[in-house]
Amino acid sequence: EVQLLQFGGGLAQPGGSLRLSCAASGLTFSTYAMGWVRQAPGKGLEWVSSITRSGDYTPCTDSVKGRFTISRDNSKNTLYLQMNSLRADDTAVYYCMAKYYDASGPLFWGQGSLVIVSS
Amino acid sequence: DIQMTQSPSSLSASVGDGVTITCRASQDVSNSLSWYRQKPGRVPELLIYAASTLESGVPSRFSGSGSGTDFTLTISSLQPEDVATYYCQKYNIAPWTFGQGTKVEIK
Repeated sequence: EVQLLQFGGGLAQPGGSLRLSCAASGLTFSTYAMGWVRQAPGKGLEWVSSITRSGDYTPCTDSVKGRFTISRDNSKNTLYLQMNSLRADDTAVYYCMAKYYDASGPLFWGQGSLVIVSS
Repeated sequence: DIQMTQSPSSLSASVGDGVTITCRASQDVSNSLSWYRQKPGRVPELLIYAASTLESGVPSRFSGSGSGTDFTLTISSLQPEDVATYYCQKYNIAPWTFGQGTKVEIK
């Protein structure tokens, strides 16, 4: 059974930092592109960033450029999202996602991590 | 970037009715299109991937069709547990963009 188990999140002050982790099991991690999706309160789903199998391509949405960094450690089967210079509008539930590298097969989601940015 | 446009934004139907939601991509996404059902406070649930493949364990009343730019999610017989918001997502290349969602209610 595939599991994406998320860690991190919580309350941060504006301008602060948080790191999210997503530990994968039940799949061959190095064959999956990974990503982060968020959902602000009462809003729809928004793609945040993704990373290729090797980590050599890491696009992100414009609103987080220069502030958020996605990375992965294939030896630990773990995905990360480093969030710096947090703003109130980053408040959301963050989900990690796994997509097989050639886009075949189902997509998998983590359980979500709540991030609240508030003073 | 490719934009994903869902319609309608909301709908109301009776139990047992057939329901159709459409998703249009601004450029060809091949068949790299998924559909999700999200109930309030819950993780989105994958219903369909590769445009028409039913995810394991998902009821057969759900079906997906389409390729290229035009896609459809059909619920053949709406059930009370289908009250939720539905999203399409394209995932061939980044960004893995979502549609804006369709809220489904029971009359």
